Amino acid sequence: DAKTTQPTSMDCAEGRAANLPCNHSTISGNEYVYWYRQIHSQGPQYIIHGLKNNETNEMASLIITEDRKSSTLILPHATLRDTAVYYCIVQPRSGGGADGLTFGKGTHLIIQP
Amino acid sequence: KAGVTQTPRYLIKTRGQQVTLSCSPISGHRSVSWYQQTPGQGLQFLFEYFSETQRNKGNFPGRFSGRQFSNSRSEMNVSTLELGDSALYLCASRPFSGANVLTFGAGSRLTVL
Repeated sequence: DAKTTQPTSMDCAEGRAANLPCNHSTISGNEYVYWYRQIHSQGPQYIIHGLKNNETNEMASLIITEDRKSSTLILPHATLRDTAVYYCIVQPRSGGGADGLTFGKGTHLIIQP
Repeated sequence: KAGVTQTPRYLIKTRGQQVTLSCSPISGHRSVSWYQQTPGQGLQFLFEYFSETQRNKGNFPGRFSGRQFSNSRSEMNVSTLELGDSALYLCASRPFSGANVLTFGAGSRLTVL
């Protein structure tokens, strides 16, 4: 079973910020939060990861709560090309682990024009 | 930098046949992992190879096998194909050390008739 819980789907207006929540209440001390997304019929694409501090890169920002039990991925100015399934994954920083990455069902984000 | 290359992109087989899929990782990446994606089960981890050795394995029958060559290229094989093996097979590579960031290929879409 996935270690994370995400809403099944979300809508966001083009140009607005998309905020995607993820619950990971059983996260352990050595596990990071990783986000990937998968645009239809393509392979998943890495977005961002973090341990406990907020992180930002050219694609998105990641906000992790102080107790690390939940996080939010923020796409600051969503475009139609951001329509995809977004996966939140908890995993040790390095090493694949015995089970590889557990993707879960993810959140289908639909950007509305 | 070239991405992860998977061949063939599409193929059709019949039940009972076998299939071999190929994956060329990003130059310098020594770890290759394979995932199966179906509408019902989502993304599921098959196995991971590093330095020509299988390091991790998912919960799949022995009909699914793989190998890695000295140049880090990898192949996976599915024998005695079943209808349920119809899926998108994704290969991903990573440097193995450092952050657990996978770079995925576009996938090989297998249809079993």
